[in-house]
Amino acid sequence: DTEVTQTPKHLVMGMTNKKSLKCEQHMGHRAMYWYKQKAKKPPELMFVYSYEKLSINESVPSRFSPECPNSSLLNLHLHALQPEDSALYLCASSQAVARTYEQYFGPGTRLTVT
Amino acid sequence: QKEVEQNSGPLSVPEGAIASLNCTYSDRVSQSFFWYRQYSGKSPELIMSIYSNGDKEDGRFTAQLNKASQYVSLLIRDSQPSDSATYLCAVREAAGNKLTFGGGTRVLVKP
Repeated sequence: DTEVTQTPKHLVMGMTNKKSLKCEQHMGHRAMYWYKQKAKKPPELMFVYSYEKLSINESVPSRFSPECPNSSLLNLHLHALQPEDSALYLCASSQAVARTYEQYFGPGTRLTVT
Repeated sequence: QKEVEQNSGPLSVPEGAIASLNCTYSDRVSQSFFWYRQYSGKSPELIMSIYSNGDKEDGRFTAQLNKASQYVSLLIRDSQPSDSATYLCAVREAAGNKLTFGGGTRVLVKP
């Protein structure tokens, strides 16, 4: 089973709202990722958690706040976003210690900031 | 700056033909290479991974890796209209678990 689930599928929020994106995997993976993808562009890495600890932050603005409550769950808290933050937000997971590091993506959350 | 380069396409292929996609990478010590397929409006789906020089076959897909020349390719045999998608090449850096993606090649399979 290579399933990563994400909720919600779609989200529309105003610039003053606070919302959260959720991601869950049950593959026993210990690394989880947040990516942002704009139209006709490749996924752009935002954060990496390895063994529930933040290991990579790609200089993401503080209006995006990741959280990893346990090894299966990953959240992305959103606050005071800008219209240019509208994008497809993808969660992925992989083995944390393995030669392969195959990353499996969830279906994504389509975010629109108004 | 580690780079992964792909021809953006579109690569137009008749149904039943072979689609050939190429990817070059700049980081000589990269060890792991992946091909993802992404349909419009959907998330990337892992279709192939390759770690050693040579060919790796999985159904209608063949990945080819040449580390000396720093390129990886994907062949799609007996192309079907359902193969029409964007194909993303991804390279894992030597240390850690960060992937660098190419810009993707859009493939159009015409009946």
